[in-house]
Amino acid sequence: QLHLQESGPGLVRPSETLSLTCTVSGDSISGSTYYWGWIRQPPGKGLDWIGNIYYSGSTYYNPSLKSRVTMSVDTSKNQFSLRLSSVTAADTAVYYCARPITPGRHNAFHVWGQGTLVAVSS
Amino acid sequence: SYVLTQPPSVSVAPGKTARITCGENNIGTKSVHWYQQKPGQAPVLVIYYDTDRPSGIPERFSGSNSGDTATLTISRVEAGDEADYYCQVWDRSSEHYVFGTGTKVTVL
Repeated sequence: QLHLQESGPGLVRPSETLSLTCTVSGDSISGSTYYWGWIRQPPGKGLDWIGNIYYSGSTYYNPSLKSRVTMSVDTSKNQFSLRLSSVTAADTAVYYCARPITPGRHNAFHVWGQGTLVAVSS
Repeated sequence: SYVLTQPPSVSVAPGKTARITCGENNIGTKSVHWYQQKPGQAPVLVIYYDTDRPSGIPERFSGSNSGDTATLTISRVEAGDEADYYCQVWDRSSEHYVFGTGTKVTVL
């Protein structure tokens, strides 16, 4: 059964870089044709898409975050990662990783991690 | 930018039908996905590509999409359906996923 698990620091200081990893079990990132995604949700607010990455490293990002986001994939560890630079309090959110329901781009997110809360504070 | 407008809240009695709308100009030309999110939990996909249900989602959940409005319909509402619901599309012009503003469904 497919399982996604986010990990990383729960507290990041303003102006620093947020780094999270999503570990995938039950599926092989390199053996699939899915675009794996990151989505976040500020406390008490709605969902905000961050970006998606393919096993080859091909990415596409939310234009509003593009200048600060970098995603990468480590197929040997079956993980993909998110880095968000120059964070502010507005980046405080629960961060989810997810896999779409069908391969290819632009598809609905079906399997989600449990989410991890990242607070930006000094 | 593309904005998907949902009613902030919908209230429905048990056993009745809840309809949640998601509005934007010509949304009928896009594929709409719907998520259910209960407090403290990750979202759950309940409808994708306007009308399809993932495995394990009850037939009580259905979707439609035409013109300027997409609709998620929950028939025979149960207490367990109480949650926030979000619509989502891929906006080709701005090259990004857009989520709706969210609707809180309250079961009376």
